[in-house]
Amino acid sequence: EIVLTQSPATLSVSPGERATLSCRASQSVNSYLAWYQQKPGQVPRLLIYDASNRATGIPARFSGSGSGTDFTLTISSLEPEDFAVYYCQQRGNWPTFGQGTRLEI
Amino acid sequence: QVQLVQSGAEVKKPGSSVKVSCKASGVTFRSYAFSWVRQAPGQGLEWMGGIIPRFATANYAQKFQGRVTITANESATTVYMELSSLRFEDTAIYYCARVDHGYYFHYWGQGTLVTVSS
Repeated sequence: EIVLTQSPATLSVSPGERATLSCRASQSVNSYLAWYQQKPGQVPRLLIYDASNRATGIPARFSGSGSGTDFTLTISSLEPEDFAVYYCQQRGNWPTFGQGTRLEI
Repeated sequence: QVQLVQSGAEVKKPGSSVKVSCKASGVTFRSYAFSWVRQAPGQGLEWMGGIIPRFATANYAQKFQGRVTITANESATTVYMELSSLRFEDTAIYYCARVDHGYYFHYWGQGTLVTVSS
């Protein structure tokens, strides 16, 4: 099983600032990695797939990069609605998720 | 528009089974695969398995092999997940999701809370 490790566990930032979230895979997943946002009481929302492709309707302030084992989700200028938990997910093998990064003010 | 509507919350005893349904609408059912993902209280997301309805073939995460069965009824455009030998730690929200872009999850059901309690 491919293990995804996200860092940091919690990231404290302010609206308007840039946020950088990391996801590291235990073995190469090529570019087969996605990012999801989940707010309390809501279902996960697909943000990015195949490392850098924004899903339909996702604002341009969200961007993804990386390949192999190291990936990054960047939110260029945080809006109040961006404070949530973010998960990465790989599809290089059976799907697995990272443990999440909580983005808080 | 795509909608995945799941069955309601369940309370089950340890050792029993639960079957959760997920009805799809607004989608060509047989053109997609569907998966089940669960989330224990305050925890992360865990993929359980998936199915391609037109082939009626399912695959499962190793952790759940032998305990989970995923099926589909094409005429009812519904996918099912049955989990047996329930344990307290199976208490979670269970989500169905449509598989897109390879094996990612763009559309999700609203979730079904399964509580295992004696």
